[in-house]
Amino acid sequence: GAGVSQSPSNKVTEKGKDVELRCDPISGHTALYWYRQRLGQGLEFLIYFQGNSAPDKSGLPSDRFSAERTGESVSTLTIQRTQQEDSAVYLCASSLSGGAPDTQYFGPGTRLTVL
Amino acid sequence: AQSVTQLGSHVSVSEGALVLLRCNYSSSVPPYLFWYVQYPNQGLQLLLKYTSAATLVKGINGFEAEFKKSETSFHLTKPSAHMSDAAEYFCAVSPGTSYGKLTFGQGTILTVHP
Repeated sequence: GAGVSQSPSNKVTEKGKDVELRCDPISGHTALYWYRQRLGQGLEFLIYFQGNSAPDKSGLPSDRFSAERTGESVSTLTIQRTQQEDSAVYLCASSLSGGAPDTQYFGPGTRLTVL
Repeated sequence: AQSVTQLGSHVSVSEGALVLLRCNYSSSVPPYLFWYVQYPNQGLQLLLKYTSAATLVKGINGFEAEFKKSETSFHLTKPSAHMSDAAEYFCAVSPGTSYGKLTFGQGTILTVHP
């Protein structure tokens, strides 16, 4: 079946602009995660959605970052008033139930460049 | 809180040689441990995971890892490197009592020389 898809694959924007990144998880996966990968670094957790529960937003770096998910489907990550330090690859992952031992399946990522 | 340390940001081996990528973790609860691989311009792919069953875990492409609680380690090995193994490898930990919020190491880039 189809894997996790993300769009756009690349986004170049100017400092101060808002951007919206999209993630389509694997069908039937109730859990969805967003991570950020800065150049030369590991992945940082941003936010977690599980079904209709309140999301865990503990990894969002500032109030310029927000995310939504409609039920158990598509999620969007929005960054307002982008800064150069927001440049990174944003990765989305989904898992079947969100349990700690569950395998997370990653999308190809969106590479964001803020000029 | 969890943390992961990968020793060596770059590892270079010859084709056919042993691959050893080191990962040490800290966790206040029994952890679940993962190794992911990222090929150039691709997303992360799971190699293997430890979920408290057997301590020696076998994964895809001939890789395996051993969970050693006393050493808080989960090193990744492969007996004989292949050119196609060149990639970046990430070790990650998930707390055993909560949902699967992964904490990743910094990654190790593996180069394989002919």
